[in-house]
Amino acid sequence: DAMVIQNPRYQVTQFGKPVTLSCSQTLNHNVMYWYQQKSSQAPKLLFHYYDKDFNNEADTPDNFQSRRPNTSFCFLDIRSPGLGDAAMYLCATSTGLAGGSEQFFGPGTRLTVL
Amino acid sequence: TQLLEQSPQFLSIQEGENLTVYCNSSSVFSSLQWYRQEPGEGPVLLVTVVTGGEVKKLKRLTFQFGDARKDSSLHITAAQPGDTGLYLCAGDEESGAGSYQLTFGKGTKLSVIP
Repeated sequence: DAMVIQNPRYQVTQFGKPVTLSCSQTLNHNVMYWYQQKSSQAPKLLFHYYDKDFNNEADTPDNFQSRRPNTSFCFLDIRSPGLGDAAMYLCATSTGLAGGSEQFFGPGTRLTVL
Repeated sequence: TQLLEQSPQFLSIQEGENLTVYCNSSSVFSSLQWYRQEPGEGPVLLVTVVTGGEVKKLKRLTFQFGDARKDSSLHITAAQPGDTGLYLCAGDEESGAGSYQLTFGKGTKLSVIP
């Protein structure tokens, strides 16, 4: 089945220790998104790629970076995680077309910062 | 970025009861999507509504898009424990470069008690 895969599902890191989360998709979608979701809150968009074009949200901290080496893969790098970065990180994809472009979400990676 | 207000934020009901969740905005969206998210998982798309006044049914769930495409409602008939989860509405807006992004409401956390 076509899907969005996130690895790992659970990630524990230490305060200030860089961490990379990965996402892959078999849907061949043009657009990939990274969201941060904290407990009982809506997902917050960090950035997205339309093909190779990178779009950063204005309020996304510089501590967060992303890479999309090819259509299928996208990575989220947190350079110096703080306690406030503990959250669920969701990857999603879409075709990017107008008028009802559904987003397909992965299962998420839950990040714990010690 | 357009804002979406969801109400109620929390809802706890007995099995068999009916409920309605509301999603409101002062802005017009090209489409609106409803997702359900279970704990520890990513959101899963339930429905997309595109046309003002549109009504879609998914078994016991009825979704309506307002005539002006600014608001939407989700009605669940005879709720069951399996309906428990976080219900998110999300509006579709163009983010530039030909791609579209979702603005999420804060969600309604539904608990259906057996």
